[in-house]
Amino acid sequence: DGGITQSPKYLFRKEGQNVTLSCEQNLNHDAMYWYRQDPGQGLRLIYYSQIVNDFQKGDIAEGYSVSREKKESFPLTVTSAQKNPTAFYLCASKSQPRNQPQHFGDGTRLSIL
Amino acid sequence: AQSVTQLGSHVSVSEGALVLLRCNYSSSVPPYLFWYVQYPNQGLQLLLKYTTGATLVKGINGFEAEFKKSETSFHLTKPSAHMSDAAEYFCAVSEWGYNQGGKLIFGQGTELSVKP
Repeated sequence: DGGITQSPKYLFRKEGQNVTLSCEQNLNHDAMYWYRQDPGQGLRLIYYSQIVNDFQKGDIAEGYSVSREKKESFPLTVTSAQKNPTAFYLCASKSQPRNQPQHFGDGTRLSIL
Repeated sequence: AQSVTQLGSHVSVSEGALVLLRCNYSSSVPPYLFWYVQYPNQGLQLLLKYTTGATLVKGINGFEAEFKKSETSFHLTKPSAHMSDAAEYFCAVSEWGYNQGGKLIFGQGTELSVKP
């Protein structure tokens, strides 16, 4: 079945450490997105990518970095510059037409040790 | 700028009662609208979408929503609530404009509780 796979499900970060969250899709979608979800704050866009080798900052990009070397993969790195990384992170993808919905993975929960 | 407002961060209904979750949007152009559901510790699942055509949209799990342009609303309803409907619901509008990358603007979410 086609879908989006996020790994790991749970992740712990030590102070000063960078961690990378994986997102892989086999839906042949061009666009991919990373969101951060905090209780009571809905979803906030971190980065998005419309095509391979190109990506744009979302509303809260500071302290995060991404790459898009392959169409299927859009990993997110939470750097040590992100001082409050504890959150639920969601990856999504969509096909080109504007009227198509975004499809979501099951998320990664990041906590601080 | 486009925006989405969900009225009520928490809604509680009895099993078998009508579910009504409110969503209002602002957009200067015809919007594309979506409702998603999220169960604890899971991703978002698409319930239904409005793009063009019929203003009453039917989705999965017995939910439906009606696009009312004059009221700039896209409220989600279900005639009879089931315990399994307890979840968080998000309304979203597709951001308009050149090179917006298919971004969605989400409401803050409404948590639905269903009492036995």
